[in-house]
Amino acid sequence: GAVVSQHPSRVICKSGTSVKIECRSLDFQATTMFWYRQFPKQSLMLMATSNEGSKATYEQGVEKDKFLINHASLTLSTLTVTSAHPEDSSFYICSARGGASYGYTFGSGTRLTVV
Amino acid sequence: QQQVKQSPQSLIVQKGGISIINCAYENTAFDYFPWYQQFPGKGPALLIAIRPDVSEKKEGRFTISFNKSAKQFSLHIMDSQPGDSATYFCAAAKGGKLIFGQGTELSVKP
Repeated sequence: GAVVSQHPSRVICKSGTSVKIECRSLDFQATTMFWYRQFPKQSLMLMATSNEGSKATYEQGVEKDKFLINHASLTLSTLTVTSAHPEDSSFYICSARGGASYGYTFGSGTRLTVV
Repeated sequence: QQQVKQSPQSLIVQKGGISIINCAYENTAFDYFPWYQQFPGKGPALLIAIRPDVSEKKEGRFTISFNKSAKQFSLHIMDSQPGDSATYFCAAAKGGKLIFGQGTELSVKP
């Protein structure tokens, strides 16, 4: 089946620094990947759609200059949280379409804690 | 505006019982309706999914019932087990984007 690998699984960073999260489709090519943010006890909120070879599409209210997305290849998308602040602490999850018919496969998530 | 409404928020079921979670949507453009299971600290995992031209789909202990006219769909977990204790999310897709419901925290008591 389709596998999406997300790294790192946990990261702690100091306020004001930047953090990069990687999302890889291991056994299929993904022209489109999605990035979500999930706060404790809440649902997944779509942040942006990452398109290979073009600019990402951000959802309303998501700062594109703060959450930089790069989709340089058919198997890799990265999310960089720039100048992180404690309020950016959250669970970030990527997903990709591929593998099963019309299926969306999710990564295992990254727990970001900004101190 | 919540495009996909899910209920209940939490559910306690005895082992062997049936767990039922309901979702409702407004936008008739949605064309794919998956259910996901999520354990703490993990990403969501696809359980079962249905398209609007089908009224019911069963896979093992999991069944989706879909009512297109009412714009509602539900997940039934038969013979619920303690290992099923997790958070369940319904979702609906349009234009390649998934919109999630609010989630249901299921607890199956032994």
